[in-house]
Amino acid sequence: AQTVTQSQPEMSVQEAETVTLSCTYDTSESDYYLFWYKQPPSRQMILVIRQEAYKQQNATENRFSVNFQKAAKSFSLKISDSQLGDAAMYFCAYRSAGANSKLTFGKGITLSVRP
Amino acid sequence: DTGVSQDPRHKITKRGQNVTFRCDPISEHNRLYWYRQTLGQGPEFLTYFQNEAQLEKSRLLSDRFSAERPKGSFSTLEIQRTEQGDSAMYLCASSRLGGYQETQYFGPGTRLLVL
Repeated sequence: AQTVTQSQPEMSVQEAETVTLSCTYDTSESDYYLFWYKQPPSRQMILVIRQEAYKQQNATENRFSVNFQKAAKSFSLKISDSQLGDAAMYFCAYRSAGANSKLTFGKGITLSVRP
Repeated sequence: DTGVSQDPRHKITKRGQNVTFRCDPISEHNRLYWYRQTLGQGPEFLTYFQNEAQLEKSRLLSDRFSAERPKGSFSTLEIQRTEQGDSAMYLCASSRLGGYQETQYFGPGTRLLVL
């Protein structure tokens, strides 16, 4: 079974600064997808960024980028120029490339942004 | 797309009562997922449908839980004889089956409190 580990329960960043959220996972599969989801307080979860395991290039979406290290099974999220609206819980998630596309989530990390 | 909707948003019930939640996916999304999220944890997979067929159920889904998706449109999740341990956020997500581009879109969730 796949597992996703987010060992940092909380992080804080100054507005306009850069922060990196860590995630490690365990799998015996070679083909899979990794995701970062954001869950603002009392609001629904939205996809931040996605990475395909077969791609060596790290995904980027505006101020969000990932550092995907397949051999180390590490998948960190970097948020540049942090904004107050970035404050939320962030979940790392894994999905197999097989037929069942259920997501396996980590415990999440609470990010606070200081003005 | 109008987004995934869930009803009710909040439910308080007494132990032993039955409750039913509804999820309306994004139109034309043929996959629908149910997850459960307890406080301080990431969502955990419960079950998913492709069209009207229920393709997988997690071991978390005890016999007291049943889910349906008649006609491959909306879905209901029923919990019979609720227990205090059922208190959680129940999340619904939908996606359009489409290989690596498949993205799950989440609803706002139904927060259940069992007294």
